[in-house]
Order: sequence, then C-alpha cells, then structure tokens
Amino acid sequence: QSALTQPASVSGSPGQSITISCAGTSSDVGAYNFVSWYQQHPGKAPKLMIFDVSDRPSGVSSRFSGSKSGNTASLAISGLQPEDEADYYCSSYTTSRTQVFGTGTKVTVL
Amino acid sequence: EAQLVESGGDFVQPGGSLRLSCAASGFSFSNSDLHWVRQTSGKGLEWVSAIGAGGDTYYTSSVKGRFTISRENAKNSLYLQMNSLTAGDSAVYYCAREGYSTSWNDWYFDLWGRGTLVTVSS
Repeated sequence: QSALTQPASVSGSPGQSITISCAGTSSDVGAYNFVSWYQQHPGKAPKLMIFDVSDRPSGVSSRFSGSKSGNTASLAISGLQPEDEADYYCSSYTTSRTQVFGTGTKVTVL
Repeated sequence: EAQLVESGGDFVQPGGSLRLSCAASGFSFSNSDLHWVRQTSGKGLEWVSAIGAGGDTYYTSSVKGRFTISRENAKNSLYLQMNSLTAGDSAVYYCAREGYSTSWNDWYFDLWGRGTLVTVSS
C-alpha cells in the first residue's frame, strides 16, 4: 500500500487561506468517505482535525474544513494563524483492510 | 481525562525482539478499537496494526508474521510484540484510540499517546 500523495510544503501569510491536497486511489480515498486529517507540531503527538472527510471533532476551529472529489481529498485552512504552522497528514481506510497515511505537508505561516 | 501512555521502547540489535505496552485511562478501554502507528525520525506516519474490541487483528504487510498486537482489558493495556526487528522498524511508536463510528471500517484516531522510541541498530 503506497502512501497518499501530499505536497511537501504549503505556505501563506496570516489571515490568508490555504489548501492541502491528498491524492489517493480508488482503493483508498476514492473507495470510502473515511478520510481523516491530523496536525502535528514538532515533538508532539498528532491531533485529529477532520474525520469522515469533512467532520470536525469538538474543539477544533471552524477555520479547518475538509472535502473530497474522486480520489483526492483536501484540507482547507482559512484565516491562517501562526499556531497553524505544523505538519499535516491525511489518512484513509483501504480496501485491503489497512489504513494508509499521506506523505505529510509542512505548513509555514509567513 | 482520557489518556494513553506508551512504554517499552529501547535500543535493540537487528533480529531482536521488543514488547511495547500502552496503558489507557479515563475511557472505556474494553469497548475501544485500538491501533499502533509509527513515525520514523523526521519522516511521516505509518499505520502498523489494529485490534478490535472483539479481538480481531489487522497488520500492515511489512510487519505481518513478525509483530503481534494484543490487549488485556483487565489491565486496560494494549501491547505490540515485535520480533525479527530490522533497522526499518526504528521509529517512534504511538498507540491510538479509534474514534466512535457506526461503520466498523471507519478508522480515525481521536486520542494518541506521546509515543515510545524504538531503535534497531548493531
């Protein structure tokens, strides 16, 4: 199972909006609406930001939103803030009864 | 407060074995599906294994036959027995709780431990 493909880095200025893509296949992202997104600050454990493509856990800012089209999922961050600077990973269940993560995207707030 | 705490990470030689533990508290452990996820130094996340509340198990292909996931509900503990270790298994290992869903294959992780470091080297 190959990792889902994400851009290595995305940057934006405070207040701007950015989008991170997560490209998979018809065996993972395209097969189910079971895509989740995680935020990870350096030296910390990952934190769930989005599950089931577009649902937000309680406590996660509404500035974070998720979507999916075909085999590609996306995470959008609006009103970018300094604390959003972190690594972001997508993840999906697969038809092989396994889970796969994305390659990760480093978000930089300029 | 719900919490997961991993332990057991160590420095081990190639071909060696190690048993990781994950102690849970603050939630209904016996009713939870649990996973192990690893992260190599400076690299991305990789799903390793899962165990359902009913004891069903799943593994990524690279560890199948070498790693065994298990749970002991009476002790609120999750384990990962790792045998025939290679340098490629060196990573921080996280245990993670699967979030609630009405779908058995809706695997997302709403609670993570802080991880335990495994280093495989001669």
